[in-house]
Amino acid sequence: DGGITQSPKYLFRKEGQNVTLSCEQNLNHDAMYWYRQDPGQGLRLIYYSQIVNDFQKGDIAEGYSVSREKKESFPLTVTSAQKNPTAFYLCASSRDRIVNTGELFFGEGSRLTVL
Amino acid sequence: AQSVTQLDSQVPVFEEAPVELRCNYSSSVSVYLFWYVQYPNQGLQLLLKYLSGSTLVESINGFEAEFNKSQTSFHLRKPSVHISDTAEYFCAVSVSPSGGFKTIFGAGTRLFVKA
Repeated sequence: DGGITQSPKYLFRKEGQNVTLSCEQNLNHDAMYWYRQDPGQGLRLIYYSQIVNDFQKGDIAEGYSVSREKKESFPLTVTSAQKNPTAFYLCASSRDRIVNTGELFFGEGSRLTVL
Repeated sequence: AQSVTQLDSQVPVFEEAPVELRCNYSSSVSVYLFWYVQYPNQGLQLLLKYLSGSTLVESINGFEAEFNKSQTSFHLRKPSVHISDTAEYFCAVSVSPSGGFKTIFGAGTRLFVKA
């Protein structure tokens, strides 16, 4: 079945450590996104990529980094510069720019807790 | 700038009662409208969408939403809820400023169905 796979589902990190969250899709979608979810705040966009080897900052990119070396993969690194990294992270994808309507397909999420 | 307001953060309701989750948006350009549902510790799933045409859209599990352009609303309704409908519901709008798409989410409404 096609879909988006995020790993790990749960992750604990000590302060000062970088951590990388994996996101892989087999939907053949061009665009991929990373969102952060905090209680009562909805989803906030961290980074997005519309095509391989290109990505753009979202609304809350500080303290995060991404890469898009392959169409299927869009990993997110939460760096030690992120002041409050404990959150639920969601990866999503959408179809190519010609037929896109903005509909998003989501992974199951990764919950990061900083100890 | 676009924004989405979900007027209720929590909605408790008894099983088999009707429910309405309210969503208003602001945008100076045409938008696509979505409702997503999120079960605990999972990603978001598309519930229904309005792209064009009939202003009343329906999902396969009995939810419906009506696009009201004059009131800039996209309220979600179900005539009779089930325990299994307990989840968080997100209203979202998608705009296409320059070739790509930007999706803005509301803060979410937690629907709690009681027996």
